[in-house]
Amino acid sequence: AQSVTQLDSHVSVSEGTPVLLRCNYSSSYSPSLFWYVQHPNKGLQLLLKYTSAATLVKGINGFEAEFKKSETSFHLTKPSAHMSDAAEYFCVVSDQDYKLSFGAGTTVTVRA
Amino acid sequence: GAGVSQSPSNKVTEKGKDVELRCDPISGHTALYWYRQSLGQGLEFLIYFQGNSAPDKSGLPSDRFSAERTGGSVSTLTIQRTQQEDSAVYLCASSSTPYEQYFGPGTRLTVT
Repeated sequence: AQSVTQLDSHVSVSEGTPVLLRCNYSSSYSPSLFWYVQHPNKGLQLLLKYTSAATLVKGINGFEAEFKKSETSFHLTKPSAHMSDAAEYFCVVSDQDYKLSFGAGTTVTVRA
Repeated sequence: GAGVSQSPSNKVTEKGKDVELRCDPISGHTALYWYRQSLGQGLEFLIYFQGNSAPDKSGLPSDRFSAERTGGSVSTLTIQRTQQEDSAVYLCASSSTPYEQYFGPGTRLTVT
């Protein structure tokens, strides 16, 4: 069985400050992990993915995430938030090749 | 090229009526997925099509839900005798590899 827990339902940051979105996963197998972003009234967009290669994964728009097996975590970070980063972010796990399990989401607001 | 498209973008229906939701995947993508996103919850897997293989219907919540994919391209999700708990955003995704699912903008279904 696979599942994901996003530890924060809402994160608020000031523009130009770091962003940290926390995610813990549970998986019976060696998982694949993803972060997706959903802007208001838009579809989900893949930010980055981990599929058993390098544990530090770089994605689009300056985001990166680190896979830590010992902590079963896959936290998402960005060094400097931009107003356009305001959106909902989903941590996703898959221990089968296509069946994705989504976390409940973290809403990010960015203050000017 | 064009992304995944879904229609209609919004659908309001009366309880007990049947609805059909349509998904046009990215051309050449052999895999197609349907998910449901209910208010305050993450995405829930519904069904998966891969080429000519039998679909994985394990996520369909009841026998009122069905889906088909014609000619390996367009897919229709049908909900019969709609109930208020069916109100949600229904998302379609397609992929050419398991790890990169491209999502459409969704259909927001409201059952009154």
